[in-house]
Amino acid sequence: AQSVTQLDSQVPVFEEAPVELRCNYSSSVSVYLFWYVQYPNQGLQLLLKYLSGSTLVKGINGFEAEFNKSQTSFHLRKPSVHISDTAEYFCAVRGSGGYQKVTFGTGTKLQVIP
Amino acid sequence: DTGVSQDPRHKITKRGQNVTFRCDPISEHNRLYWYRQTLGQGPEFLTYFQNEAQLEKSRLLSDRFSAERPKGSFSTLEIQRTEQGDSAMYLCASSANLGTVNTEAFFGQGTRLTVV
Repeated sequence: AQSVTQLDSQVPVFEEAPVELRCNYSSSVSVYLFWYVQYPNQGLQLLLKYLSGSTLVKGINGFEAEFNKSQTSFHLRKPSVHISDTAEYFCAVRGSGGYQKVTFGTGTKLQVIP
Repeated sequence: DTGVSQDPRHKITKRGQNVTFRCDPISEHNRLYWYRQTLGQGPEFLTYFQNEAQLEKSRLLSDRFSAERPKGSFSTLEIQRTEQGDSAMYLCASSANLGTVNTEAFFGQGTRLTVV
């Protein structure tokens, strides 16, 4: 079984400032990792994913994340945020073998302040 | 096909009534998932289909909940004798299993259920 911890429930940041949203996971097997974004009253949209290979993955909207196996982390970063980035961000994990359900963290609300 | 489609987007029902939601996955996706999301929480897994077979059910899926995917395409989620605690966003997702490659799940926009 896997679990995900997003310690920050809310992160306020000024427009054009950098941001990091933290994610730590727990698993006894190798994993795939994901970040999803959810706008109000919408479903989830995939931002980026780590399956294998390079530990630095780039996603849509200028976001990137780095997989750190030793620290079991997958933090999301953006060098300069926009008002339109205001949303809730979910980190998710699944085991890499065969069928495995996706387990989500509790989410981090990013509030971009003009 | 533009993505996963869910219907209705919103449903308000009285306690004790039955409700049914529909999910149309991306057409070539053989895997379909239902999740429930309550306020302030991440999505919680409910159940999973591979084609028409329901392969996993969460303990969250009580006897009042039933899901079907009769022809391996669209799926329905029915809640009988709704309770106020069933109020949540119900999310459907689909993914493809291409041999040994498992692709990521794509989510619909959800059905928001309010039980009054």
